[in-house]
Amino acid sequence: DSGVTQTPKHLITATGQRVTLRCSPRSGDLSVYWYQQSLDQGLQFLIQYYNGEERAKGNILERFSAQQFPDLHSELNLSSLELGDSALYFCASSQGPRGGVETQYFGPGTRLLVL
Amino acid sequence: GDSVTQMEGPVTLSEEAFLTINCTYTATGYPSLFWYVQYPGEGLQLLLKATKADDKGSNKGFEATYRKETTSFHLEKGSVQVSDSAVYFCALSERSGAGSYQLTFGKGTKLSVIP
Repeated sequence: DSGVTQTPKHLITATGQRVTLRCSPRSGDLSVYWYQQSLDQGLQFLIQYYNGEERAKGNILERFSAQQFPDLHSELNLSSLELGDSALYFCASSQGPRGGVETQYFGPGTRLLVL
Repeated sequence: GDSVTQMEGPVTLSEEAFLTINCTYTATGYPSLFWYVQYPGEGLQLLLKATKADDKGSNKGFEATYRKETTSFHLEKGSVQVSDSAVYFCALSERSGAGSYQLTFGKGTKLSVIP
């Protein structure tokens, strides 16, 4: 158990809908990263928040957004869903860099199926 | 940009066989290198890491050495067990201009160990 929790575990929805995925980081971790795992694209970085502020963006679609709240949990919002958004979404947390190294710990993921 | 290339799977081995999964990387600076493992139906678990050249990461009988001259981080285990059956991901992390340490992953190698 990494200490990172994600809800829900599974999500089934229809095209055009909007969903929210939730992530609670490990106690004491300030950074939250979101990744998407799909069969064709593999594991891709989406977005990072550090202590409530957006730090970096990767291959995140404009239909997707995220935020990190004062209690440090994070939510990933996916809207106008398409079939191709079906994937496993992971969040990872870290303390922040220590000596130029940052180790990320992953949650169990949310499996999204868009029908 | 940064990239990670790892050997295509699947790899099928008999119990107690020697395992090598090759991983090479391309990076602009001096990345940290990681191996993550994903067991069926679970999230990613950190297996081992190395943060500078010639460092050896080790855990649960697995080892990998950071080779800067060959830009490689091959994963090895002397005697695999059925319980090692999983997908293994090589990844690198390098500080971006935004101060982020997002992970860049290889495509994963599926290992099946048969009794």
